[in-house]
Amino acid sequence: QKEVEQNSGPLSVPEGAIASLNCTYSDRGSQSFFWYRQYSGKSPELIMFIYSNGDKEDGRFTAQLNKASQYVSLLIRDSQPSDSATYLCAVALNQAGTALIFGKGTTLSVSS
Amino acid sequence: DTEVTQTPKHLVMGMTNKKSLKCEQHMGHRAMYWYKQKAKKPPELMFVYSYEKLSINESVPSRFSPECPNSSLLNLHLHALQPEDSALYLCASSQTSGSQETQYFGPGTRLLVL
Repeated sequence: QKEVEQNSGPLSVPEGAIASLNCTYSDRGSQSFFWYRQYSGKSPELIMFIYSNGDKEDGRFTAQLNKASQYVSLLIRDSQPSDSATYLCAVALNQAGTALIFGKGTTLSVSS
Repeated sequence: DTEVTQTPKHLVMGMTNKKSLKCEQHMGHRAMYWYKQKAKKPPELMFVYSYEKLSINESVPSRFSPECPNSSLLNLHLHALQPEDSALYLCASSQTSGSQETQYFGPGTRLLVL
């Protein structure tokens, strides 16, 4: 059973702080990792993807991947109240045809 | 443009009804997906179409019947659903079905089965 684990939260941070969201996965052969943001009642929206070990930065967002530890994280710098949402970690199965396995999501609350 | 559209936005149906959900993209993507999402749960994959052919069926009950009439359209035909099938049904598409392809989600159809 391939699994993706996330702390469901809620994770509460003050405005301007760094929010750190973590995800672990069970399939050592996984190659592709995605972070989606989902507001209540809306569909998932892609934030970042990462394929290689190390850090990848895009604006206020940094994704970190450590394949040896089977760990991927998302850092949100200068958190804003508008960042309050559920963040879903998704891993593409290592097989022909993309099937995303999602973690249960971490709910982030940014207080002003 | 990374837009995937879905219709209808909301659907209420009885257990004896037949209805269809529609998904459309004009990004030239050749892979399309159906996911089901229950409240406070992550999306769960139902079907994958690659180049208009069904490539993954995640053991979905036969009361759900997917159809991909062309490369831009994806339908999900519903028949004799159960109340537990009430959920948000999400369509997604990607350039191809390769594992490094980003999937873009539509806004979803919120389905209520009475």
